[in-house]
Amino acid sequence: KAGVTQTPRYLIKTRGQQVTLSCSPISGHRSVSWYQQTPGQGLQFLFEYFSETQRNKGNFPGRFSGRQFSNSRSEMNVSTLELGDSALYLCASSLSPQGAQSPLHFGNGTRLTVT
Amino acid sequence: ILNVEQSPQSLHVQEGDSTNFTCSFPSSNFYALHWYRWETAKSPEALFVMTLNGDEKKKGRISATLNTKEGYSYLYIKGSQPEDSATYLCASINQAGTALIFGKGTTLSVSS
Repeated sequence: KAGVTQTPRYLIKTRGQQVTLSCSPISGHRSVSWYQQTPGQGLQFLFEYFSETQRNKGNFPGRFSGRQFSNSRSEMNVSTLELGDSALYLCASSLSPQGAQSPLHFGNGTRLTVT
Repeated sequence: ILNVEQSPQSLHVQEGDSTNFTCSFPSSNFYALHWYRWETAKSPEALFVMTLNGDEKKKGRISATLNTKEGYSYLYIKGSQPEDSATYLCASINQAGTALIFGKGTTLSVSS
């Protein structure tokens, strides 16, 4: 069974630009969650989608948005990039929504650098 | 906002040593506690999902216990090996069904 696939693996953007990251979950998984990791910080929750609906959103500005398609694939968009958005963005899928007992299955992440 | 704390932040042991680290979380409205192992250049991998007070789970040389009344979980590694070197993350979710919140992790380094 294929794992969680995130594309691209690396991305370099300049301040003010926007970026879209993609995540393909494990087949059959309907929940997709996004996390941001920066040096010295743990995984910071961005949002979770289940069956094309956003279930939860973390404490991030409105520049961060996402969506989920009918095939459970998810995209995350960051507009008006700032230097502080440089981070590793991890996507994770699970069978059930967060709050159930299924573990998260993580992708390898997208490393975003904003210059 | 759920706050999950892990200690120590980092740990260095010799091969063969047994070690343990702690995850603290709010005990009120507890629902589930997850442990993940994150090796360098790989993605985080689930170790355990625990929900019941007093529960103990084991996977090879790694085990975890859960105390939901006082809000902590311990992860134990028996006879550490160099391949156990990784960052160990715990995450908690409360009954409100909000997001799984992660601690900052404990980074374990095992020397041969």
